Amino acid sequence: ILNVEQSPQSLHVQEGDSTNFTCSFPSSNFYALHWYRWETAKSPEALFVMTLNGDEKKKGRISATLNTKEGYSYLYIKGSQPEDSATYLCALNSGGYQKVTFGTGTKLQVIP
Amino acid sequence: DSGVTQTPKHLITATGQRVTLRCSPRSGDLSVYWYQQSLDQGLQFLIQYYNGEERAKGNILERFSAQQFPDLHSELNLSSLELGDSALYFCASSSRLAGGISYNEQFFGPGTRLTVL
Repeated sequence: ILNVEQSPQSLHVQEGDSTNFTCSFPSSNFYALHWYRWETAKSPEALFVMTLNGDEKKKGRISATLNTKEGYSYLYIKGSQPEDSATYLCALNSGGYQKVTFGTGTKLQVIP
Repeated sequence: DSGVTQTPKHLITATGQRVTLRCSPRSGDLSVYWYQQSLDQGLQFLIQYYNGEERAKGNILERFSAQQFPDLHSELNLSSLELGDSALYFCASSSRLAGGISYNEQFFGPGTRLTVL
């Protein structure tokens, strides 16, 4: 069983603040790392797929970095908006078609 | 809209009963995953199928079973239902990208909410 950990578990930030959270995974079991955004009452939506050490991906105000050697990825949100409120999940793909292991998520609430 | 469909959207049944949840993956996707989300819990991986064959198993109870059919749709069968089986059940699909490399980015359906009374 692979241990994919996310921290913090939950986060409250003021509108306009920038924030970041962490996904940690066993570095010896890396094939790809996914970030998903999961809004309440909806289904998870893919944000990024990251495969190479040092990868940086960006989508609007959201970006992510990857360090496969030390086994972590950061997700950054610049200038948080209320619509960014969601649970952010990371998921480790440990190889090909093997099962993907999801972290428990970071629940972000942006206060207007 | 992810392109993954799940039916029914809601299901209310009694303890001891059996239900079948259905999932149609995105067109061309060969892999189907099933997840369970119970109250205040994260996504619990249940099982994965690839092109009709079981590929990986997670925390799936013996009372639960799944299959993927030749047309690639999948069904999750839940039997001898208990109150604790009440949850949101998600199906996701993923594809093989051009060139044969797949990173298993998953596209989630809207979920089936199962309530066991």
